[in-house]
Amino acid sequence: DTGVSQDPRHKITKRGQNVTFRCDPISEHNRLYWYRQTLGQGPEFLTYFQNEAQLEKSRLLSDRFSAERPKGSFSTLEIQRTEQGDSAMYLCASSLYNSPLHFGNGTRLTVT
Amino acid sequence: GIQVEQSPPDLILQEGANSTLRCNFSDSVNNLQWFHQNPWGQLINLFYIPSGTKQNGRLSATTVATERYSLLYISSSQTTDSGVYFCAVERGGATNKLIFGTGTLLAVQP
Repeated sequence: DTGVSQDPRHKITKRGQNVTFRCDPISEHNRLYWYRQTLGQGPEFLTYFQNEAQLEKSRLLSDRFSAERPKGSFSTLEIQRTEQGDSAMYLCASSLYNSPLHFGNGTRLTVT
Repeated sequence: GIQVEQSPPDLILQEGANSTLRCNFSDSVNNLQWFHQNPWGQLINLFYIPSGTKQNGRLSATTVATERYSLLYISSSQTTDSGVYFCAVERGGATNKLIFGTGTLLAVQP
C-alpha cells in the first residue's frame, strides 16, 4: 500500500493556460474523489468517481474543469483557461465503500 | 445543504494537557470521519466513526448520530498534535461526498 499519489506537487501557470493533474489512488480502492482547498478553509468537494463512472459533480466545477478516470484506475483533473481564482490546493482521495477516506499530498496550483 | 460546525475554532494547549473538540451537524448522516491536517498540509484520517466510540492511542472519538454531534478527545497532547482538525460528514441519501467542517486549529506548546 503506497498511499494516494498526486503529480505534480506544485504547478505555476499563467492565466489562460491549461493545466492537468494526475492522481493514482490506492490500488484496490474503487472510489476516487477530487477536492479543492484554499487557505484557511476546509476541503471543498469537486467530483466523485466510482470505478470509471463519474457519479457526482459539484456546482463549483465550472465548464472549464473536467475530470476523467479511464479504466477505473488513475484519474486526471484538467483546468482550461486558468484564472487567478483557480489558485488552490487540489486534493485527491480514495476509499472503499463505507471505509476511511485517504488523501494524497495534493497539487498546489498558482495562477499568475 | 448540510451544515457542519466545529468548536472551538482555535485552541492553544500546553504539552501534556487534554482537550475535547466538537463537531455539530445539521442533518442526519451515514458517515462521519475525523482528519488531522498537519502543518505541512497533509490530511490524515484519524477515525471513521458514523456512530459509537473508538479509541486509537491517545485519541478517541464518539459520535451520537441521533443528537447530531461528534467529539474528538486528545489526551496527553504532544507538539506533533498541532495542526487543524476537521470533521467531515456524508449526508444520508443518494450522495457520496464528504462535507468538511470549519476546522479547529490546535497549537500545542512545549
